[in-house]
Amino acid sequence: AQKITQTQPGMFVQEKEAVTLDCTYDTSDQSYGLFWYKQPSSGEMIFLIYQGSYDEQNATEGRYSLNFQKARKSANLVISASQLGDSAMYFCAMREGRRGSTLGRLYFGRGTQLTVWP
Amino acid sequence: DTAVSQTPKYLVTQMGNDKSIKCEQNLGHDTMYWYKQDSKKFLKIMFSYNNKELIINETVPNRFSPKSPDKAHLNLHINSLELGDSAVYFCASSRGVAEAFFGQGTRLTVV
Repeated sequence: AQKITQTQPGMFVQEKEAVTLDCTYDTSDQSYGLFWYKQPSSGEMIFLIYQGSYDEQNATEGRYSLNFQKARKSANLVISASQLGDSAMYFCAMREGRRGSTLGRLYFGRGTQLTVWP
Repeated sequence: DTAVSQTPKYLVTQMGNDKSIKCEQNLGHDTMYWYKQDSKKFLKIMFSYNNKELIINETVPNRFSPKSPDKAHLNLHINSLELGDSAVYFCASSRGVAEAFFGQGTRLTVV
């Protein structure tokens, strides 16, 4: 079974609007972390936001917020006030393992290509 | 200051050659990784090192050999390159559970 599922291959949003990118995950671990990365056309992987499974509050970083619904095993990324520079591929990823462990690999979804139009 | 630095950024080489990709991190992280991104942009773990010790070795052909001379460096050596090795290779590092920073990637093209 896939660990991370991103069901939206592509999304379009108008500048200044908000957009939600979906991510569901599959794990039997109690302790895990969820990540979102942005990959622009230049190719680098840019870390956006992290949510730990024990975190009670949804993570926020500037215009990015993570809508974490543990019972539904979803970790959707919300981008508010979209900008043209937000056009990129977005990846959801999960790290399983003991709390505090750094050894766990990241499992990635297949990504969502976001296009922001003026 | 680049936190995780890979060289080269682009690598074009002929089938059968041997090549290396270097990775260095200046974050003081204990764990480093190599990931492969295929032509469909899917990212998958290849190797992980913690304090110079191999922790994860996924099902990767043994033509791929990681080497960690110290905990700030994790290099990837590839022998007898094949067309199917063409991909983008990312180095990453982490210390805490909430961290995972990537290098800029190395686009390898085998012709």
